[in-house]
Amino acid sequence: GQQLNQSPQSMFIQEGEDVSMNCTSSSIFNTWLWYKQEPGEGPVLLIALYKAGELTSNGRLTAQFGITRKDSFLNISASIPSDVGIYFCAGPPTGANNLFFGTGTRLTVIP
Amino acid sequence: DAMVIQNPRYQVTQFGKPVTLSCSQTLNHNVMYWYQQKSSQAPKLLFHYYDKDFNNEADTPDNFQSRRPNTSFCFLDIRSPGLGDAAMYLCATSNIAYEQYFGPGTRLTVT
Repeated sequence: GQQLNQSPQSMFIQEGEDVSMNCTSSSIFNTWLWYKQEPGEGPVLLIALYKAGELTSNGRLTAQFGITRKDSFLNISASIPSDVGIYFCAGPPTGANNLFFGTGTRLTVIP
Repeated sequence: DAMVIQNPRYQVTQFGKPVTLSCSQTLNHNVMYWYQQKSSQAPKLLFHYYDKDFNNEADTPDNFQSRRPNTSFCFLDIRSPGLGDAAMYLCATSNIAYEQYFGPGTRLTVT
């Protein structure tokens, strides 16, 4: 079945550091979404990407839709303790109606 | 603020005792989804409604049913909960191509 692989699986960083994570697929995607989920809460939509090569920012977050349409990247600049959570990529492969979610990247920020 | 609301946030039920989880939305979105999420794994889609059209995922157990009496409300019924059904249940809605907005979730415990 469809699988979205995210790396790294987990990250431990110092407050103030920049963070990079990525999501790769074996299938072409037309849309990439990035969500953040805090413990005990539902995922929150951070950024939506709709075109190959698109680069979109939301505050300290920047995400890119890979040129091959099989990957996407999320960067967080100057991390703060409230950035802690699990970051999921998601998207519908071409021809699919529903979202597939990635395996998640767990981020820990050390004050 | 427009939002997705889930009640209750925490539900405890006994093995085999039917339970209903509820979701309401003020976003006026035409699609509503139910996901199951276990211990930091990616959310797993159970089913979704496009307006009143019900769409069941092929691997969703028959034990799980859903009702959508109107645009705003959607219910998840678990007819005979087993220990393996203990999880976080997430409701989501969407209107624009795949951008899904999640509620805070209901954590179900089965004793």
